[in-house]
Amino acid sequence: QLQLQESGPGLVKPSETLSLTCTVSGGSISSSTYYWGWIRQPPRGLEWIGNIYYGGGTHCNPSLKSRVTILVDTSKNQFSLKLTSVTAADTAVYYCARYRFFSDSSGYHYSLFDSWGQGTLVTVSS
Amino acid sequence: QSALTQPASVSGSPGQSITISCAGTSSDVGSYNLVSWYQQHPGKAPKLMIYEVTKRPSGVSNRFSGSKSGNTASLTISGLQGEDEADYYCCSYAGSNTLVFGGGTRLTVL
Repeated sequence: QLQLQESGPGLVKPSETLSLTCTVSGGSISSSTYYWGWIRQPPRGLEWIGNIYYGGGTHCNPSLKSRVTILVDTSKNQFSLKLTSVTAADTAVYYCARYRFFSDSSGYHYSLFDSWGQGTLVTVSS
Repeated sequence: QSALTQPASVSGSPGQSITISCAGTSSDVGSYNLVSWYQQHPGKAPKLMIYEVTKRPSGVSNRFSGSKSGNTASLTISGLQGEDEADYYCCSYAGSNTLVFGGGTRLTVL
């Protein structure tokens, strides 16, 4: 059974960089079927941060793109998130998840997050 | 890219049906049949309930159904049960490999 687990500091100072890692177990991050994503949740609501493919290609939320780096380490079955210049507005529960998406000559298919980590709270405060 | 619009809350009695709307634009919900719905209980991770507007993953009750008309998608839950009390989020593909979520709807079972 696929499991995802977020890890990283729970407290980050304003203007510094938030760094999180997601470890995937029970399946390979190198699957050609899936992307791997980050989503965050302030007190309410969900916000998509970005996705990465095992080959390293990334897609990010335009509103966060200038501050976000998502990387994959297939040797460790992990992917990571870096968010620079954080403020209190970046305080949220951060989730990693598996994303399925496919496009072919007939159109687009799936676009779903079918497996999620438990989430980790990151607080931005001095 | 603005968040999809959902009602903040809905409620219903056990056995009744409720519908949660998810309003987008012609750039996201209206352009793609790629709307998904997630259920989230307090302190838990979201769970996929509907994808591609109308499809249910294996294991999800057939009391959950999805639909779309124009720029608005909807989630209907029939035969409400106490365990359905949760937050519900819609998500749409928005083109150029981007995604947008709704603000969430809190369902209360009276």
